[in-house]
Amino acid sequence: LAKTTQPISMDSYEGQEVNITCSHNNIATNDYITWYQQFPSQGPRFIIQGYKTKVTNEVASLFIPADRKSSTLSLPRVSLSDTAVYYCLVGDSYRDNYGQNFVFGPGTRLSVLP
Amino acid sequence: ETGVTQTPRHLVMGMTNKKSLKCEQHLGHNAMYWYKQSAKKPLELMFVYNFKEQTENNSVPSRFSPECPNSSHLFLHLHTLQPEDSALYLCASSSWDGSSSGNTIYFGEGSWLTVV
Repeated sequence: LAKTTQPISMDSYEGQEVNITCSHNNIATNDYITWYQQFPSQGPRFIIQGYKTKVTNEVASLFIPADRKSSTLSLPRVSLSDTAVYYCLVGDSYRDNYGQNFVFGPGTRLSVLP
Repeated sequence: ETGVTQTPRHLVMGMTNKKSLKCEQHLGHNAMYWYKQSAKKPLELMFVYNFKEQTENNSVPSRFSPECPNSSHLFLHLHTLQPEDSALYLCASSSWDGSSSGNTIYFGEGSWLTVV
């Protein structure tokens, strides 16, 4: 998996939009970018995945510039329940097929304040 | 419900005990994983199994012994653990369906292990 770098922590207030940026300078041509969310005492869960440009679902948006060396997870109007650790992973759907080693970094610890 | 079930959810064991953690996935995946997460620390990948074959052992001490009898079940056998092994142990699974959607990993709720 391509190495990723993201801020260790962020604070926000309820109702604000939160943007978390992940750097992945050595991303390969076939690599996809996936974000996961982890609440305390639970396993991470999938939020969103993209390859290029913009992806949006009911939870978040993912912005990927043309060079794909970074990506930004955008959480609209966060609430207290969005307090969690957010992980950015970059992996290859074609090369890392069976038994891909999903290695998680420290992630970004988001704290949403009232 | 993620489709990955872990039992037990909580386990307390002495340092001389032998116990096992069980994981079952109902997603038809071909790869299964064990992760360890200590308090306020990143996830540590321990073992990876592909079609029942171990493909990764991330320098895990031998007091942790994994077993994968089939693609749906994964065990972690525990023997003579130390107090510092107390942590949340997470099982996960993944697959690739041949589409261009990329791999995604699915986690269970975890098993909290306390070694006394």
